[in-house]
Amino acid sequence: DAGVIQSPRHEVTEMGQEVTLRCKPISGHNSLFWYRQTMMRGLELLIYFNNNVPIDDSGMPEDRFSAKMPNASFSTLKIQPSEPRDSAVYFCASSPDREAFFGQGTRLTVV
Amino acid sequence: AQSVTQLDSQVPVFEEAPVELRCNYSSSVSVYLFWYVQYPNQGLQLLLKYLSGSTLVKGINGFEAEFNKSQTSFHLRKPSVHISDTAEYFCAVSEWGTALIFGKGTTLSVSS
Repeated sequence: DAGVIQSPRHEVTEMGQEVTLRCKPISGHNSLFWYRQTMMRGLELLIYFNNNVPIDDSGMPEDRFSAKMPNASFSTLKIQPSEPRDSAVYFCASSPDREAFFGQGTRLTVV
Repeated sequence: AQSVTQLDSQVPVFEEAPVELRCNYSSSVSVYLFWYVQYPNQGLQLLLKYLSGSTLVKGINGFEAEFNKSQTSFHLRKPSVHISDTAEYFCAVSEWGTALIFGKGTTLSVSS
């Protein structure tokens, strides 16, 4: 299995632009998570899907952030408009039951 | 809600020395506990997990951890570290039907 696949690996964008991060979970996994990692705040859970349904989105910072999971093999995290404070590494992870398997992450820089 | 505290942000050790990375959790119900490792510019990789049963769990790369319910701890240990163990280590907790919540991480630096 190729593991969790995230794209792009790196993204540099200007403040105010829309950014879309993509994730392909491991086939057969029924849970998907988006996390954000920064030096100051560590690893924060943004949103958790189970069977394509959002279960917990309490970690989504504000209305500028939105996440979708239209089917079991694809999810997106969108930031519109982006701000410099959104600069971070964003991880997608999937899970068949308990433990989570992580992708390589997307390093987002908003200038 | 569950939470995790990693008591040491940085742990420097010499090669072949033993190491313990400390983790305490807070939860009102039964929990599942995990340790992950992150190498630079990579994602997180599962080291070991406690779901139920024996409180001493063994993982990859010679690491082990012990679940102590009375002390709400899940400390990670290795009897002899290598240079290649230098990385960031994260403790995580989850409950039934919830996502993993991570601690702030501990940077393990192994020098010769």
